[in-house]
Amino acid sequence: GDSVTQMEGPVTLSEEAFLTINCTYTATGYPSLFWYVQYPGEGLQLLLKATKADDKGSNKGFEATYRKETTSFHLEKGSVQVSDSAVYFCALRALSSGNTPLVFGKGTRLSVIA
Amino acid sequence: GAVVSQHPSRVICKSGTSVKIECRSLDFQATTMFWYRQFPKQSLMLMATSNEGSKATYEQGVEKDKFLINHASLTLSTLTVTSAHPEDSSFYICSARGSGGEAYNEQFFGPGTRLTVL
Repeated sequence: GDSVTQMEGPVTLSEEAFLTINCTYTATGYPSLFWYVQYPGEGLQLLLKATKADDKGSNKGFEATYRKETTSFHLEKGSVQVSDSAVYFCALRALSSGNTPLVFGKGTRLSVIA
Repeated sequence: GAVVSQHPSRVICKSGTSVKIECRSLDFQATTMFWYRQFPKQSLMLMATSNEGSKATYEQGVEKDKFLINHASLTLSTLTVTSAHPEDSSFYICSARGSGGEAYNEQFFGPGTRLTVL
């Protein structure tokens, strides 16, 4: 079945460091890919998404490019801030119908220290 | 923006009792709602998918008689954990997908409910 594998954390970085969180997927067809973020004590929020190969999703300085050839959707940010500390989830949705749920990776906890 | 609320945010109950968790889409109509369970240091596990007015579709391994899901309106779904036991302690998260507007075909998440069964 469909699955998402993302790097295990926790990841601890100093402020202004470069961030990469790796994510690879297995799916039939051409899934849509997502990154969600969960701040402490809050629900999941959509961070960015890409719906087809070579699309780049971006938001709040974060970027991820849909790479079909490597089945990857790595999350990057050039300069992290303390406020970026959260758990990041990579996810896919195989079909666009209303009943198709998101399939999540295990999440990567990011801690940014000043 | 599209907001999903959950109530309660935390609940502690005795073993053998039932607990109801409400999930509401506050400013959009949700034709489909999903219930997830999140274990510590693990990902979100999909429990069931429900469409308004229909019976929920449960994932393999999820007991439908234990986790009762009702999606009676386009803005409300409930999850009832019946005869709860300590192993049911977990973080339960609902998600709603909208039928139109900003929420169309996007999945929005509630803040979650921490259930502790003593």
